[in-house]
Amino acid sequence: QVQLQESGPGLVRPSETLSLTCTVSGGSISGYYWSWIRQSPGKGLEWIGNIYDSGISNYNPSMKSRVSISRDTSKNQFSLNLSSVTAADTAMYYCARVGYYYDSSGYSRIWNYFHYWGQGTLVTVSS
Amino acid sequence: EIVLTQSPGTLSLSPGERATLSCTASQTVSNNYLAWYQHKPGQAPRLLIYAASDRATGIPARFSGSGSGTDFTLTISRLEPEDFAVYYCQQHGASPYTFGQGTRLEIK
Repeated sequence: QVQLQESGPGLVRPSETLSLTCTVSGGSISGYYWSWIRQSPGKGLEWIGNIYDSGISNYNPSMKSRVSISRDTSKNQFSLNLSSVTAADTAMYYCARVGYYYDSSGYSRIWNYFHYWGQGTLVTVSS
Repeated sequence: EIVLTQSPGTLSLSPGERATLSCTASQTVSNNYLAWYQHKPGQAPRLLIYAASDRATGIPARFSGSGSGTDFTLTISRLEPEDFAVYYCQQHGASPYTFGQGTRLEIK
């Protein structure tokens, strides 16, 4: 069974960049779709963005100007960068594998529910 | 963006009872693409239901989803001790993909 593990600094200074990595085991990241989600006391669960098998990313408009998601297939990892952080970015950050289905032509298509999740990593933004 | 409102906020029931959790969307959920998750403290959230009524692999048959349009329901037919947790709905039909605020299912 696929397993995901988030890693990265637990404390980030305001205005700096938050960087997290998700390491996937039990399967390859190639051929699948991956996502970052966060949970803060003030806003609940919030989808941050996806990265597709093609390497193209799709982001929540509320954070689009500050977010970048990338992947490293050689390490079986994908990463999140969130720039210019403030206290409002304090949250538990989760990585997840996105659901998919096969269309009538046999191609996989993204189906934006979150099938497998990591346990999350808490990031606090504070000076 | 679609706002999802879950009710009740907290549901107190006993093992063996039936649980009914609601999720109401601020606008029609495209293709009824609504998912449900179970979340226990310190654990990864677990997918239960997607596309309103399709059970994820390995999910017991006591969990069922129903609904369409803007009103959706997660039913747990007969509560087991391990079912007490927080449950979230999520619409996966239109970006940005949004979640409800959760229903806490606690032991009475």
